[in-house]
Amino acid sequence: GQQLNQSPQSMFIQEGEDVSMNCTSSSIFNTWLWYKQDPGEGPVLLIALYKAGELTSNGRLTAQFGITRKDSFLNISASIPSDVGIYFCAGQGRTGNQFYFGTGTSLTVIP
Amino acid sequence: DSGVTQTPKHLITATGQRVTLRCSPRSGDLSVYWYQQSLDQGLQFLIQYYNGEERAKGNILERFSAQQFPDLHSELNLSSLELGDSALYFCASSATLPGKLNTEAFFGQGTRLTVV
Repeated sequence: GQQLNQSPQSMFIQEGEDVSMNCTSSSIFNTWLWYKQDPGEGPVLLIALYKAGELTSNGRLTAQFGITRKDSFLNISASIPSDVGIYFCAGQGRTGNQFYFGTGTSLTVIP
Repeated sequence: DSGVTQTPKHLITATGQRVTLRCSPRSGDLSVYWYQQSLDQGLQFLIQYYNGEERAKGNILERFSAQQFPDLHSELNLSSLELGDSALYFCASSATLPGKLNTEAFFGQGTRLTVV
């Protein structure tokens, strides 16, 4: 199946620091989504991106749809303890079928 | 609340048994996806249904099967269960129409399956 490479795999940061993670694909996607998952819970949609070059914010979160359509990044500014969790990227191709998920970035925020 | 409902939330069963997981998608969503997430792992795509028909298949074992009913709810059937099938099983739904853009997938809370 389609492989999405997500990095970094894990991050340990101090509260108040900014965070950046990214996702790359070998294929072009028409939709990029970013999710956050808390332990034992379902992934929660954070940001959806639909156009190459699009930059979208949701509070302290900002995500961009790469111009090549093969990558996306997520930034979190001024991190707080409740940002702890696993962040997943997901892409959907032009067929509109399955969503392909990245391997996840585990974020730990140290108070 | 994503609007996607999964039942049961927890399931404990013995090896060799068969279980059925249920998913009710968000109102109006025609596509349902099933994912498996083993401990500390990513989301592995199993299968997608759109309006009652199978649309895409991932790494789904032959012991597993799914269907989507006319009321759009879906069931994932897992049979001849093995210890390694213990995982979180997630259902997601979207308004995706094949070939149409600008859609999002919303996840349920998952079913935690433990095979003993």
